Amino acid sequence: SAVISQKPSRDICQRGTSLTIQCQVDSQVTMMFWYRQQPGQSLTLIATANQGSEATYESGFVIDKFPISRPNLTFSTLTVSNMSPEDSSIYLCSVSNRGRGLYEQYFGPGTRLTVT
Amino acid sequence: AQSVTQLDSQVPVFEEAPVELRCNYSSSVSVYLFWYVQYPNQGLQLLLKYLSGSTLVESINGFEAEFNKSQTSFHLRKPSVHISDTAEYFCAVSDRGATNKLIFGTGTLLAVQP
Repeated sequence: SAVISQKPSRDICQRGTSLTIQCQVDSQVTMMFWYRQQPGQSLTLIATANQGSEATYESGFVIDKFPISRPNLTFSTLTVSNMSPEDSSIYLCSVSNRGRGLYEQYFGPGTRLTVT
Repeated sequence: AQSVTQLDSQVPVFEEAPVELRCNYSSSVSVYLFWYVQYPNQGLQLLLKYLSGSTLVESINGFEAEFNKSQTSFHLRKPSVHISDTAEYFCAVSDRGATNKLIFGTGTLLAVQP
């Protein structure tokens, strides 16, 4: 399995500001994903981060609010823009190598975001 | 589209007792099935997976799950739980296509009491 790190691990931000979360993998992976876990809730997929092209967003999530970059096969960022208290969540990145016949996803430790 | 139902939000159990965490899914296509575990203040860890072949899959720490196609279920079981098994358990499905998107259930908190 891949080793995945996220920065920052947690942050407290003010309403109206933006935060960029980084996800770094120790090996090249074909697919990277961003999930949100709201307090006491399950995980919801925000988008699939595609290397070299725009991310693919799920229903209810838009690029203006959650811009994503994926400049190479080991790194991705998620920005939470113009934050409100409703954005307080844990944000997790995950990776998989489905293109190489591996179907499971591995998750980073998450970024705990609190918006005041 | 797929969906996952975990009917039990919380399962209290005494140490060394058996436990079953239920998971049912809905899908119009064939799926892969997963159980993830989230220990307090930690990220998600893959516990076990069903891709194909034997319908009974096992993890290294004594959990097992059985894929039942007719009942569209993938229940998680352990014959004897430990205090250290206390965690949130999530069942998830993905289709067998190219997207590899995971759809998660709402989770079950396994609370092991001494």
